[in-house]
Amino acid sequence: DAKTTQPPSMDCAEGRAANLPCNHSTISGNEYVYWYRQIHSQGPQYIIHGLKNNETNEMASLIITEDRKSSTLILPHATLRDTAVYYCIVSAFWGNEKLTFGTGTRLTIIP
Amino acid sequence: DTEVTQTPKHLVMGMTNKKSLKCEQHMGHRAMYWYKQKAKKPPELMFVYSYEKLSINESVPSRFSPECPNSSLLNLHLHALQPEDSALYLCASSVLTSGRAYEQYFGPGTRLTVT
Repeated sequence: DAKTTQPPSMDCAEGRAANLPCNHSTISGNEYVYWYRQIHSQGPQYIIHGLKNNETNEMASLIITEDRKSSTLILPHATLRDTAVYYCIVSAFWGNEKLTFGTGTRLTIIP
Repeated sequence: DTEVTQTPKHLVMGMTNKKSLKCEQHMGHRAMYWYKQKAKKPPELMFVYSYEKLSINESVPSRFSPECPNSSLLNLHLHALQPEDSALYLCASSVLTSGRAYEQYFGPGTRLTVT
């Protein structure tokens, strides 16, 4: 699976949009981009995934560049409950059996 | 029901003990996973079961023995562990269909301390 690079930490003001970048320059054509987050002392929580088109759900939006070498997760109106470690993961779509978590971005929402 | 449950929540065991961790899901998922997470580190995959058969073992020491007795249950049997095995053990499950991407649902984890 392709490797990902994320900033180790970010702050965002409550109510503002949080934009979390991820670099995956070695991604191959059969690999999806997944985002998970882990709130302190809880299991990881799925947020969103995409292949090449931008995606949106009730939690977030995922913007993938045209060359697929990077992506941005957008939390449109961050709340204090969004404080967590956010993991960007690239994985092949056959079976989604092997998620390799990187070190992630620790996002802190500031009141 | 989109919940993965894990028991116990906390476990303290000595190096000579034998214990088991249990994971359960009722979403009809046919893929189940064990992850290990050390403090301040990301989760690391240990085992994957597909249709109740072990499909991936990430070179985990034999003192960890997984078992999938049916499609809803996943156990992790522990024996002769070392203090460095102290960690949060996470279970997850997902739909298993080749050619499509599905999310993994994680349980809250069992926090294991080996003394």
